Amino acid sequence: LAKTTQPISMDSYEGQEVNITCSHNNIATNDYITWYQQFPSQGPRFIIQGYKTKVTNEVASLFIPADRKSSTLSLPRVSLSDTAVYYCLVGDIGNFGNEKLTFGTGTRLTIIP
Amino acid sequence: SAVISQKPSRDICQRGTSLTIQCQVDSQVTMMFWYRQQPGQSLTLIATANQGSEATYESGFVIDKFPISRPNLTFSTLTVSNMSPEDSSIYLCSVETGGQGRLNEQFFGPGTRLTVL
Repeated sequence: LAKTTQPISMDSYEGQEVNITCSHNNIATNDYITWYQQFPSQGPRFIIQGYKTKVTNEVASLFIPADRKSSTLSLPRVSLSDTAVYYCLVGDIGNFGNEKLTFGTGTRLTIIP
Repeated sequence: SAVISQKPSRDICQRGTSLTIQCQVDSQVTMMFWYRQQPGQSLTLIATANQGSEATYESGFVIDKFPISRPNLTFSTLTVSNMSPEDSSIYLCSVETGGQGRLNEQFFGPGTRLTVL
């Protein structure tokens, strides 16, 4: 499994766009990039997943450059409720049933009023 | 999607005792996973539990310390045996949904917060 590196913590003000970048230099051809969000006292929950270019859903956007050695999770107009830890994971989703999630350190995002 | 419940939500236990944590899923799933999350830390996978077979443990975790049962496709238990204060942690179960080539998403339970005195 490819190792990921992301900032330990970030602060942002309400209403701003937040971008969290994750490095995964050893990503393999079959690997996808997945982001999870964890609120205090809750289990992580899936946010978004992508393979290349850009993916957008109702929660976030995920930007992946052509070399796929990094990815950026973008949260538009954050609010206090976006305060959480965000985990970047890399793995082969085609290997269903045998794929273990390896959580890195995560990025602790704090939204300031 | 999957909805997962865990019991107990929290417990305070004495050193040397054992605690069994239950994980219930609202649908049948093949794979269930047990994680540990120590305060302020990331999640560490303990083991993978398949119905009808022995659990597969990750490096650093052994069956004698963390026995797991998986009697059917909606339920699993994790026992933390002969506890010490170092076992104080949040224990989470998760399940994997989706099929080959589809979104490989895991759903997590709310966790069980264990404190060992």
